[in-house]
Amino acid sequence: QVQLVESGGGVVQPGRSLRLSCAASGFTFSSYGMYWVRQAPGKGLEWVAVMSYDGSNKNYADSVKGRFTISRDNSKNTLYLQMNSLRAEDTAVYYCAREHFGYLQHWGQGTLVTVSS
Amino acid sequence: QSVLTQPPSVSGAPGQRVTISCTGSSSNIGAGYDVHWYQQLPGIAPKLLIYGNSYRPSGVPDRFSGSKSGTSASLAITGLQAEDEADYYCQSYDSSLSGSVFGGGTKLTVL
Repeated sequence: QVQLVESGGGVVQPGRSLRLSCAASGFTFSSYGMYWVRQAPGKGLEWVAVMSYDGSNKNYADSVKGRFTISRDNSKNTLYLQMNSLRAEDTAVYYCAREHFGYLQHWGQGTLVTVSS
Repeated sequence: QSVLTQPPSVSGAPGQRVTISCTGSSSNIGAGYDVHWYQQLPGIAPKLLIYGNSYRPSGVPDRFSGSKSGTSASLAITGLQAEDEADYYCQSYDSSLSGSVFGGGTKLTVL
């Protein structure tokens, strides 16, 4: 069965960096586009970044453009999100999700990132 | 402000029918992009409920249905059950933003 397991969240000071990972199993990882979606406490879902199956295309929400970098290692079945210059408003649960024709077919359980001094 | 507009809350008694609207614009739903719906139970990751405007993944009861017309889409839930109490989100693609967009979410309360 499809499994997506995020890790790397935690408490970080404003301006610092953090790297999230999403380990995929149960499907051919290299065949699917992947998303990062976040949810601030008590708020709705926000798309953060997307990467195509082979890593050749990627895109970011304006709120994170220039600060966050999405990447993937298809040999390790792992998706990453490098988050730099973190701000308090980046505090959220970060989910990775498998994309299929524009919809998010499977989601991980999420990892909490708290940006606070 | 979300690009896709949903009512913050809806409610209904067990057995009743409720609908949740998702209103967009000419750069997303009105441009022909598909609308997808997700259910998020309290404290749990979202789950795909409807894809491609009206298709249900296997395992989703046929009490849930989706439709799209013009710049809007709707999610209908018939025969409301207590376990349907959750947050519901619509999602589409926006050409002016060149990215995915979500609605602000609707909290369904089963009375």
